[in-house]
Amino acid sequence: SAVISQKPSRDICQRGTSLTIQCQVDSQVTMMFWYRQQPGQSLTLIATANQGSEATYESGFVIDKFPISRPNLTFSTLTVSNMSPEDSSIYLCSVEPDGHEKLFFGSGTQLSVL
Amino acid sequence: AQSVAQPEDQVNVAEGNPLTVKCTYSVSGNPYLFWYVQYPNRGLQFLLKYITGDNLVKGSYGFEAEFNKSQTSFHLKKPSALVSDSALYFCAVRGPLGGYQKVTFGIGTKLQVIP
Repeated sequence: SAVISQKPSRDICQRGTSLTIQCQVDSQVTMMFWYRQQPGQSLTLIATANQGSEATYESGFVIDKFPISRPNLTFSTLTVSNMSPEDSSIYLCSVEPDGHEKLFFGSGTQLSVL
Repeated sequence: AQSVAQPEDQVNVAEGNPLTVKCTYSVSGNPYLFWYVQYPNRGLQFLLKYITGDNLVKGSYGFEAEFNKSQTSFHLKKPSALVSDSALYFCAVRGPLGGYQKVTFGIGTKLQVIP
């Protein structure tokens, strides 16, 4: 299994500022994933983060808005830049350890932008 | 493109009664299917998966799901609901193509078990 520590758990931010979310895994994993969960909507994959290479972004998400770092096999950060109220959401970090064929999730970051 | 439909926003069931949470999917080839549960103020947890083999798969907390290829469905079931089962349930699908395939989630179904 994998235990994921994600922080902050929640934050209230002002429009135009940026927030960096951290995700720490207790084991080495090849790929880490960042999801957004908006009320009444399904989980949407933002990007896939591989160690040592640029993140792969899904349609509708761009690096300038959601820069991601993956400095090693146990850690990743997602930054939500130049925030607007539309960015208010829950952001989830996820991993799929080799051989498990299932996702493990962090507890999420509840972001509110005023 | 792959997709998942969860036709019910909310399911209400009395404690002790059987429950069903519906899911249908669309994907090219044989699917990998999953159910995840999200309890209030917590991240998602894996419940069960179907990849191949027996169409009825058993998972955590007494839940099971039945894969029906002809109906492209993967309904979640439990014989006797508990109040503690009240949560948000997500169905998910992944295609079997080579290389890593991303997971697509449904919109989620809120299960309310009434004492």
